[in-house]
Amino acid sequence: EAGVAQSPRYKIIEKRQSVAFWCNPISGHATLYWYQQILGQGPKLLIQFQNNGVVDDSQLPKDRFSAERLKGVDSTLKIQPAKLEDSAVYLCASSLGVGRSEKLFFGSGTQLSVL
Amino acid sequence: KQEVTQIPAALSVPEGENLVLNCSFTDSAIYNLQWFRQDPGKGLTSLLLIQSSQREQTSGRLNASLDKSSGRSTLYIAASQPGDSATYLCAVRGIIQGAQKLVFGQGTRLTINP
Repeated sequence: EAGVAQSPRYKIIEKRQSVAFWCNPISGHATLYWYQQILGQGPKLLIQFQNNGVVDDSQLPKDRFSAERLKGVDSTLKIQPAKLEDSAVYLCASSLGVGRSEKLFFGSGTQLSVL
Repeated sequence: KQEVTQIPAALSVPEGENLVLNCSFTDSAIYNLQWFRQDPGKGLTSLLLIQSSQREQTSGRLNASLDKSSGRSTLYIAASQPGDSATYLCAVRGIIQGAQKLVFGQGTRLTINP
């Protein structure tokens, strides 16, 4: 079974530039999550999709971050314009549903450096 | 607000030792608690999930316990091996600001020395 795919693996940009990350969840998984993990910290949820609808985006900085999940499969997370404090690993995860004991499967992440 | 804390931030032990990683959380109204492993440059892998009604879960050399009333969990690793070197994160699932969320601790970076 293929896992959660993310690209690119690494990205280096200058502040005020734009960047986009892509995620392809496990086939059949209805729920998709984007997490931000700053060095030395645990992952923080940015946005959760159920199929192509947003379930929770309360911690997404909407003035600069946007995400979409067209057709309820692949997802793209965009940052425009980037700030130095956006340097982090961006993790995508997916699960079959939203049950309390739902197991999350994580991708390897995209490591973003903003200079 | 749910806060999850893991102490110590880093731990280094010789191969073969038994060890305990600690996790504490501030709000005991949780559905479950999970322990994850994260290898450098990789995503997270779920190790164990303990429901709020359970006291412990075991998988191979790993044993996780949960004391919901005191807001604590421990991950016990028996007969540690160099391959156990990784960052271990705990996460609690519960209702936060009206939504079901998974809240992570900052992790314990474990190094097993041959």
